[in-house]
Amino acid sequence: AQKITQTQPGMFVQEKEAVTLDCTYDTSDQSYGLFWYKQPSSGEMIFLIYQGSYDEQNATEGRYSLNFQKARKSANLVISASQLGDSAMYFCAMREGHRNSGYALNFGKGTSLLVTP
Amino acid sequence: EPEVTQTPSHQVTQMGQEVILRCVPISNHLYFYWYRQILGQKVEFLVSFYNNEISEKSEIFDDQFSVERPDGSNFTLKIRSTKLEDSAMYFCASSEKTLARNQPQHFGDGTRLSIL
Repeated sequence: AQKITQTQPGMFVQEKEAVTLDCTYDTSDQSYGLFWYKQPSSGEMIFLIYQGSYDEQNATEGRYSLNFQKARKSANLVISASQLGDSAMYFCAMREGHRNSGYALNFGKGTSLLVTP
Repeated sequence: EPEVTQTPSHQVTQMGQEVILRCVPISNHLYFYWYRQILGQKVEFLVSFYNNEISEKSEIFDDQFSVERPDGSNFTLKIRSTKLEDSAMYFCASSEKTLARNQPQHFGDGTRLSIL
């Protein structure tokens, strides 16, 4: 079963607009972490933002914010004031809290975001 | 800012040959990982390594794969006898201490492995 689901294979947004990238997750753990990574066409994986399952406030990091709805098991990434350089693949990932898992990240299939002028 | 370094950036190898992918994690990091990403697909976990031993491995990480930390800085992934389906981007990652749940894993730029 998929642990992380990203339902939008591709998204378009106009420069300076905000965009929301969806992510839902499946876990029975109480303790887990959710991460978003950006992968430009050059291929590297860039850490953007983290949300812990016990965090009461939504995470923010510059133009990135995470809309965390625990009851719905969703952790959507919001990018405000999109820039052309935001065009990339975006991956949602989850780390579950038990040590035996080795703390591996479980990734979704990604959303390809294209920012247009 | 410190970063994870991977070499080579691109490796082309004949099927059946051994290949070693190299990584230098961030110096004060304690946990090390290998992931792979087949072209157009999601990133998949291979193995995690802590305190000089494997802490977890996925189904993908079969007997053809091995990892080693031969000295205080390098972390290597060896594929003993490569197959066509091993063609992928291989990412090394490290994190400072995962007991703190919010520690992100920092990824290298990847090694693109092409098996002919």
